[in-house]
Amino acid sequence: AQTVTQSQPEMSVQEAETVTLSCTYDTSENNYYLFWYKQPPSRQMILVIRQEAYKQQNATENRFSVNFQKAAKSFSLKISDSQLGDTAMYFCAFISGNTPLVFGKGTRLSVIA
Amino acid sequence: KAGVTQTPRYLIKTRGQQVTLSCSPISGHRSVSWYQQTPGQGLQFLFEYFSETQRNKGNFPGRFSGRQFSNSRSEMNVSTLELGDSALYLCASSDLGQGTSPLHFGNGTRLTVT
Repeated sequence: AQTVTQSQPEMSVQEAETVTLSCTYDTSENNYYLFWYKQPPSRQMILVIRQEAYKQQNATENRFSVNFQKAAKSFSLKISDSQLGDTAMYFCAFISGNTPLVFGKGTRLSVIA
Repeated sequence: KAGVTQTPRYLIKTRGQQVTLSCSPISGHRSVSWYQQTPGQGLQFLFEYFSETQRNKGNFPGRFSGRQFSNSRSEMNVSTLELGDSALYLCASSDLGQGTSPLHFGNGTRLTVT
């Protein structure tokens, strides 16, 4: 079974600084997708960024970028120029074939003014 | 386009009762998935429906059931409620289903069982 591990339950960062959230996963599949979702206090899960495993180039979305290391099964999220609105729970997620989306336990990120 | 709509936002029920949660997907989306979120277990997959058919099911007891209507709206039912069913229930829709297109989530229904 696929598993997703987020080893940092909580993190904090100063406003305008850069922070990196870690995620590792375990799978025997070769084709899969990885995601980072953000869940602010409003509870709605928001897709931050998506990475296809067959693409070597790391995905980027404005201030959000990933470091995808397929051999190491690592998928970290870098947030640049952190803003107060980035305060939220961040979930790493994995999906492959017909299996449902599997989430990590999450990292609670606090951006401090 | 309107997002995923879940109703109600909050629900308080007593042990032994049953409850029905509703989810309206984004217009045009044919897939609806349900997840249970608790502090201890995190996000756990319940089931996915695609064009009125259950495509996938998680490891939950038979007390948890769902269905999808021809307009893609979905309902989830939990019978004989237990205290451990207290959770945030999230619904997500996608146009082509999990594994093919990203999930778009609603704001969830917070269920409290007393």
